Amino acid sequence: GEDVEQSLFLSVREGDSSVINCTYTDSSSTYLYWYKQEPGAGLQLLTYIFSNMDMKQDQRLTVLLNKKDKHLSLRIADTQTGDSAIYFCAERPGGYNKLIFGAGTRLAVHP
Amino acid sequence: DTGVSQDPRHKITKRGQNVTFRCDPISEHNRLYWYRQTLGQGPEFLTYFQNEAQLEKSRLLSDRFSAERPKGSFSTLEIQRTEQGDSAMYLCASSPRTAPSEQFFGPGTRLTVL
Repeated sequence: GEDVEQSLFLSVREGDSSVINCTYTDSSSTYLYWYKQEPGAGLQLLTYIFSNMDMKQDQRLTVLLNKKDKHLSLRIADTQTGDSAIYFCAERPGGYNKLIFGAGTRLAVHP
Repeated sequence: DTGVSQDPRHKITKRGQNVTFRCDPISEHNRLYWYRQTLGQGPEFLTYFQNEAQLEKSRLLSDRFSAERPKGSFSTLEIQRTEQGDSAMYLCASSPRTAPSEQFFGPGTRLTVL
């Protein structure tokens, strides 16, 4: 089946690293994504990783993929108050164009 | 370069009325998607177009829902005989031919059914 699970809430201190975790069930998934949603705004594509990779880095963002455990994580280095948002993990099942999203992790950054 | 645009941004309607939403994808994006998002949840896929062809439909898309993309550019999503359970944010996304794995979302249309 298709299911994506995320923890609902994460609180970090400004300047620390944030790690947001996600698990998925579809072993055929070809791409895995991280989107950011700020209040009143649309979904912003942050980064994505192809399923044959295990790591991707893009400035302050690092994505780690453990395909065996179907576990995806997003690390944000030097977290800032502007990083406060809801982060959605999504998978693209093999043979499909649709994305399956998790319920989102709300990241709160405090001084 | 403008992003995906959606119109209207907000719609309030009474139960039983029909509503239609419009999505304009990013210029030259040949793929277009509709999703629905309810409070506290992630987006749920509704349907997908490649050019004018509707290639994927979710079982969430009941008989009351219909989507079109007649010329392969903008798309419309119509909901007939709206129900209170249709209240949600309706999101549109598009992908370019050169990077079909990247889906860029619009700001959404928030529907409230009274």
